[in-house]
Amino acid sequence: DAGVTQSPTHLIKTRGQHVTLRCSPISGHKSVSWYQQVLGQGPQFIFQYYEKEERGRGNFPDRFSARQFPNYSSELNVNALLLGDSALYLCASSLEWARETQYFGPGTRLLVL
Amino acid sequence: KNEVEQSPQNLTAQEGEFITINCSYSVGISALHWLQQHPGGGIVSLFMLSSGKKKHGRLIATINIQEKHSSLHITASHPRDSAVYICAVKRNRDDKIIFGKGTRLHILP
Repeated sequence: DAGVTQSPTHLIKTRGQHVTLRCSPISGHKSVSWYQQVLGQGPQFIFQYYEKEERGRGNFPDRFSARQFPNYSSELNVNALLLGDSALYLCASSLEWARETQYFGPGTRLLVL
Repeated sequence: KNEVEQSPQNLTAQEGEFITINCSYSVGISALHWLQQHPGGGIVSLFMLSSGKKKHGRLIATINIQEKHSSLHITASHPRDSAVYICAVKRNRDDKIIFGKGTRLHILP
């Protein structure tokens, strides 16, 4: 079975642009979570979606938004990119967070110039 | 003060040594995860704990709910164990997930 997949693997954008990151969970998993990891820091929680509804949100501005589709894949959107948005964006899937093991994707490395 | 603190921040040891990484948290939690992150970013979930102790191969994780403390132990460490080990908890009051900053482990051959 394929693990969690994310696309693209790498991305370079300029300030003010918009970006969409994609995540496909493991088959059968209904929960997808997004994390931002700035170089040298631990991951920071952005969103959790379960059964296509937002179930958790971290301390991120409204420029960050996400959604989950009927097939449980998910998109993370970031508007009006800032230099500080440069990070590794990780997606993780599970049956249900904190009750099941989370499986992480390889991440999308975003560089904002 | 961070709600999840890990120690040490960096650890270098010789192959074969017994390794202990600590995680302390200051909030009520529903579960605690230990994660392993290799260079390049990919994260592997090692353990999910809500009480007691779990063992998988050379890895052992323990949690003391009363003391709000967890430890990850590696027996007979090997250079391939070199990675960043991250502790993460789900906070009871709002379901937010909080990560520690990680412990960078380097095992020398």
